[in-house]
Amino acid sequence: DQQVKQNSPSLSVQEGRISILNCDYTNSMFDYFLWYKKYPAEGPTFLISISSIKDKNEDGRFTVFLNKSAKHLSLHIVPSQPGDSAVYFCAASASGGTSYGKLTFGQGTILTVHP
Amino acid sequence: DTAVSQTPKYLVTQMGNDKSIKCEQNLGHDTMYWYKQDSKKFLKIMFSYNNKELIINETVPNRFSPKSPDKAHLNLHINSLELGDSAVYFCASRQTSGGGEQYFGPGTRLTVT
Repeated sequence: DQQVKQNSPSLSVQEGRISILNCDYTNSMFDYFLWYKKYPAEGPTFLISISSIKDKNEDGRFTVFLNKSAKHLSLHIVPSQPGDSAVYFCAASASGGTSYGKLTFGQGTILTVHP
Repeated sequence: DTAVSQTPKYLVTQMGNDKSIKCEQNLGHDTMYWYKQDSKKFLKIMFSYNNKELIINETVPNRFSPKSPDKAHLNLHINSLELGDSAVYFCASRQTSGGGEQYFGPGTRLTVT
């Protein structure tokens, strides 16, 4: 049972335009959400996160939006740059209980930004 | 200075062998994790240690045994390797009193032939 889903395997955008990556989750216990970026042969790198008490978090060119009622979050990158080309993973965790910060990942979206 | 490091980066071995992967973090974090990325690219939690104590043990075969000699190290030992163990294994760390983000190592690509 896949609790975090990224339904778009790939996304292609032009440099300077906006990239929007989407993520859906099913577990209502999730209250903390993260986006990671991964280059080939490297580990995932933390990008940005959002707590369930917020609906938006912004860090430079990256903004994450959370819609709790729809169990949906998205990552906006604007303007997109060729160096943003990578695999983006959405992840979620539940605080408290026995989760101990365990992250549940989506399957990733390959973003390609064309010059 | 590398924050989370893993050795080796590549490991090729035959079925039935026993191998270990080492992980070290210099971030001063108190919790460490092992994740497996399979051929379908899913990243799945395997184990987690907090202050050298096992706190997460997902449904993983007994052939996999994590060992944490101290807070900065979490090693993964695999006995009787099977073809299906071929994957990329990532170590990660986190400070429980900090934010929820985990910091990942570069991964170890294990190939069992």
